[in-house]
Amino acid sequence: NAGVTQTPKFQVLKTGQSMTLQCAQDMNHEYMSWYRQDPGMGLRLIHYSVGAGITDQGEVPNGYNVSRSTTEDFPLRLLSAAPSQTSVYFCASSYSRRGNQPQHFGDGTRLSIL
Amino acid sequence: GIQVEQSPPDLILQEGANSTLRCNFSDSVNNLQWFHQNPWGQLINLFYIPSGTKQNGRLSATTVATERYSLLYISSSQTTDSGVYFCAVTMTTDSWGKLQFGAGTQVVVTP
Repeated sequence: NAGVTQTPKFQVLKTGQSMTLQCAQDMNHEYMSWYRQDPGMGLRLIHYSVGAGITDQGEVPNGYNVSRSTTEDFPLRLLSAAPSQTSVYFCASSYSRRGNQPQHFGDGTRLSIL
Repeated sequence: GIQVEQSPPDLILQEGANSTLRCNFSDSVNNLQWFHQNPWGQLINLFYIPSGTKQNGRLSATTVATERYSLLYISSSQTTDSGVYFCAVTMTTDSWGKLQFGAGTQVVVTP
């Protein structure tokens, strides 16, 4: 099993550009989520999904969009990139759709917005 | 929302030393996890421990949910233990298990 795979690992964007961060898991996990990590801080939840076709907002959803068409994939879209979205983005998955099982993280995407 | 406080914020250890990291939370939880973020930025799940005690090699964790705290013990520390340790919890009233992270404890183990 590859676990949770995130692509790309690094990305530089200009203000106003859009892009999609990819996340895939091969563990048949129902629960998937996106977090951002800013310097000196813990992780903050952006969006999460409890199964295909079901998504909801987390703590910091503004400027981001998600969809879940399959169990395996949970892409995160930046609609119009802003410098405040410079961060490290982590995708995570968990077996239980309630998320109350160990969460497994991808290696992260380091995103810089100029 | 729930408050998650980790202490100490920073810890410098000599190789071989033991240490205890603490996580306090302000509300009832049904999910508590400890993570290690290594110097390369990878997040590794150490423990899923909503209550009780677990051990994994030199690491062990105890959660006392009724008193709203959890402890992570590192014994005989090694340089590979360096990194940031995060505690994350889910409020009992949260139907979908959303994790709320603490700010972390930065651990440096010196040879």
